Order: sequence, then structure tokens, then C-alpha cells
Amino acid sequence: QSVVTQPPSASGTPGQRVTISCSGSSSNIGSNTVNWYQQVPGTAPKLLIYTNNQRPSGVPDRFSGSRSGTSASLAISGLQSGDEADYYCATWDDSLNGVIFGGGTTLTVL
Amino acid sequence: QVLLQESGPGLVKPSQTLSLFCTVSGGSISSGSDFWNWIRQPAGKGLEWIGRIYSRGSTTYSPSLKSRVLISLDTSKNQFSLRLNSVTAADTAMYYCAKGEWPTHHFGYWGQGILVTVSS
Repeated sequence: QSVVTQPPSASGTPGQRVTISCSGSSSNIGSNTVNWYQQVPGTAPKLLIYTNNQRPSGVPDRFSGSRSGTSASLAISGLQSGDEADYYCATWDDSLNGVIFGGGTTLTVL
Repeated sequence: QVLLQESGPGLVKPSQTLSLFCTVSGGSISSGSDFWNWIRQPAGKGLEWIGRIYSRGSTTYSPSLKSRVLISLDTSKNQFSLRLNSVTAADTAMYYCAKGEWPTHHFGYWGQGILVTVSS
């Protein structure tokens, strides 16, 4: 059971906008920035969003992140079939003194 | 462009020590304010952070693995390593090395991963 909680699954149709939530506490999301990773099955995770809402070079602006209080969210607009993947949020936890990952959300494009 | 490559045995016997190496190219592991991390993922499950080593040599480990883990640097080979002792089947996983940034703790570069199976 992860300290940071994500819904196990999410889905949408092509072109739709989907959001994935990440819920934590004051010792993690509430006091540290959140990063998001995309993992296509069989491949290594890829950094998607860092510092709550920053996109690395090469990541389309269809992907956006936000943080409010002890929660964060990832939004994907203009959904494409290639967006099917597992998505993980991650942050530092001051109590555990380590990086923690959410349990991951599997995104299905219907 | 920083590249990371894991290497090591793919099969380890129960109770023995798992040893993996991550070779870094495109940058020095001993410079800057970077952290060098190990992360693992059991088949069909989520990501678990194991620990990290700072470019100056200090380490931080996951509380759940701290008693069994050692991460170290070999600057002569531009490499860092993971040792996990007293392994069990529960340690069977894909192991990734990744470069972390301070102070946001994000992992911008990952190795392709190496599958380690614990079995007799």
C-alpha cells in the first residue's frame, strides 16, 4: 500500500481530456514538489512532468501537471492511442526521508 | 545526453547478495549536484525507490530496505553499484538505475533496466 494514492485505472476516447489524481499528505505532496512518469509496458519509465508542472524538452504540451495542498494531478488533453501507458506520480517524503511513488494508474484509450 | 546501463547477474540464489552496476556515459558521476539512484519494479507491480548516492558519496536508503542495501560509487569507472544482501523471492524484480536532480528529486535519465530473479 503506497503512502501516495493514485486510481488504479483511467480511460478515455481519442481526443478527450483525462486527469489522473495523486493524493498524499503534509509530509510528502504537501511540502515537496511532484514529478510524473510515463511507462509504456516493457520499457523504462520516462519523465513526463517535474516540479509539479514543468515539461522536459520533447514532452508535448498536451501533458500538464498541477499541485494543490496535499494532492496533485496530471492532465492529458487530445488523448491519443499512443498515450496508453502506466502513469506514476512521485515525490519526496520528509517523514520517510526518501522518494515515494504512487501505485500507478493504467490509462486505456478506448 | 546522459546514458545509463545496468549490468550484473540475472539470477541470484536465495540468501545470497545481489550485485548490480550502473555505467554512466555522457557525464561524470562525481561532478555537479546529481544523485544516482536505484529503483526496482516487480513484474506487474509499481515502482519502488531503493536508494541513492550523491556525487560526493553520501547515501540515503529506503527505510524498508536500509538494513540490507549498500550503494557505492566507482569514479574510476564512472559507475555506481547496488548490493542487496539476504535476498528472497520478494526481491525478484526489474532493477533500474536513474539520475536524479537536486532539489526536486526527479529522475530525468533512466537505464533500460535489468531483470533479476531470485531462485535456487
